[in-house]
Amino acid sequence: AQSVTQPDIHITVSEGASLELRCNYSYGATPYLFWYVQSPGQGLQLLLKYFSGDTLVQGIKGFEAEFKRSQSSFNLRKPSVHWSDAAEYFCAVGRFQGAQKLVFGQGTRLTINP
Amino acid sequence: GAVVSQHPSWVICKSGTSVKIECRSLDFQATTMFWYRQFPKQSLMLMATSNEGSKATYEQGVEKDKFLINHASLTLSTLTVTSAHPEDSSFYICSVLRDRAINEQFFGPGTRLTVL
Repeated sequence: AQSVTQPDIHITVSEGASLELRCNYSYGATPYLFWYVQSPGQGLQLLLKYFSGDTLVQGIKGFEAEFKRSQSSFNLRKPSVHWSDAAEYFCAVGRFQGAQKLVFGQGTRLTINP
Repeated sequence: GAVVSQHPSWVICKSGTSVKIECRSLDFQATTMFWYRQFPKQSLMLMATSNEGSKATYEQGVEKDKFLINHASLTLSTLTVTSAHPEDSSFYICSVLRDRAINEQFFGPGTRLTVL
């Protein structure tokens, strides 16, 4: 069965520091992978997605993620975080059983220190 | 991306009453929508897949008679929590399937349900 693991429940970084959020997946074929961000009072916003081609994908707000098949990972990175990046981040994998479904990881809460 | 709205954004009701939550796709005709449930500090759990013009498909363990889903048009899906109880209190989120080829979904802002 497909599954997604985000090993870090909570991460704190200083403003201006680099960021990497980890995501590991279990899926039998080439996965469709997504990163979403959820801010308080707002819906999930799609940061980036991977479904084929270049394994380094660029997203909005300066985020990027790299798909590594050998490690079953899709880690999210940002070279310099801003206070506005504080939010909950979810990794998700597409799962298909006749209809498209998403399986989400547990989420990583990002706190930014000034 | 698709613009998705939900109404109401929050609702408080008494135990035993029914509550209807609307999910609207404002700029895209959505044949497929999804309903998720999110408990505090937890991830999203898929409840059901809503298909326009047909019955919804529920995930294992989700009571279809408890959570009634209607997708009567390409822009509106509704979730009705029937005879709500305190354990139904949660954050309910809908999404629109925007690109079927890659399973790309766009999400509504969510509805906070509190059952007293």
